[in-house]
Amino acid sequence: NAGVTQTPKFRILKIGQSMTLQCTQDMNHNYMYWYRQDPGMGLKLIYYSVGAGITDKGEVPNGYNVSRSTTEDFPLRLELAAPSQTSVYFCASSIDRGYSYNSPLHFGNGTRLTVT
Amino acid sequence: AQTVTQSQPEMSVQEAETVTLSCTYDTSESDYYLFWYKQPPSRQMILVIRQEAYKQQNATENRFSVNFQKAAKSFSLKISDSQLGDAAMYFCAYKEGAQKLVFGQGTRLTINP
Repeated sequence: NAGVTQTPKFRILKIGQSMTLQCTQDMNHNYMYWYRQDPGMGLKLIYYSVGAGITDKGEVPNGYNVSRSTTEDFPLRLELAAPSQTSVYFCASSIDRGYSYNSPLHFGNGTRLTVT
Repeated sequence: AQTVTQSQPEMSVQEAETVTLSCTYDTSESDYYLFWYKQPPSRQMILVIRQEAYKQQNATENRFSVNFQKAAKSFSLKISDSQLGDAAMYFCAYKEGAQKLVFGQGTRLTINP
């Protein structure tokens, strides 16, 4: 059971470039999330999804797009990379809203993105 | 908007001793969840303990316990018998009925052998 898998682990982008951060989970979770973590700060929610075909904005959605065509995959797209998007990005999933010990929020290992 | 504040950027404790990490939050809701997550250098976020706001009893998970003060909107984490493996960033988090999880800034915990 792989859990939540994110790729790539590291990436350096030039300003204005585009890229997609991949996230896939094999736990059949309906709920999936993208967070960013800036140095010394907590995680901020970028986008989330409650099921295939349904996505919604979080706290900091500007400059990002997502899609959820399948239950397993929730890619995050950066269209025009900016230095302000330098951060560590975490994908997460959960089976429901409850966040019980039996169904907590599962995080991926993160993607460290640098935009220069 | 709900906010979560961790006022201690860094804490350190001697191995085998007890340490308490502080967290306060702001909400107008009465039904919500509170969490403590651990983030080791591997960056994987691990759920340490959770508390439902409707429960008056403080949650306990082995060496980890919380002091939940609903009126004061305070949610501190106590780690007893600290171990070297407890060294990590600890994040306090809040969630109400919707899907959004709000995190604090984190506290870096160092365990001194």
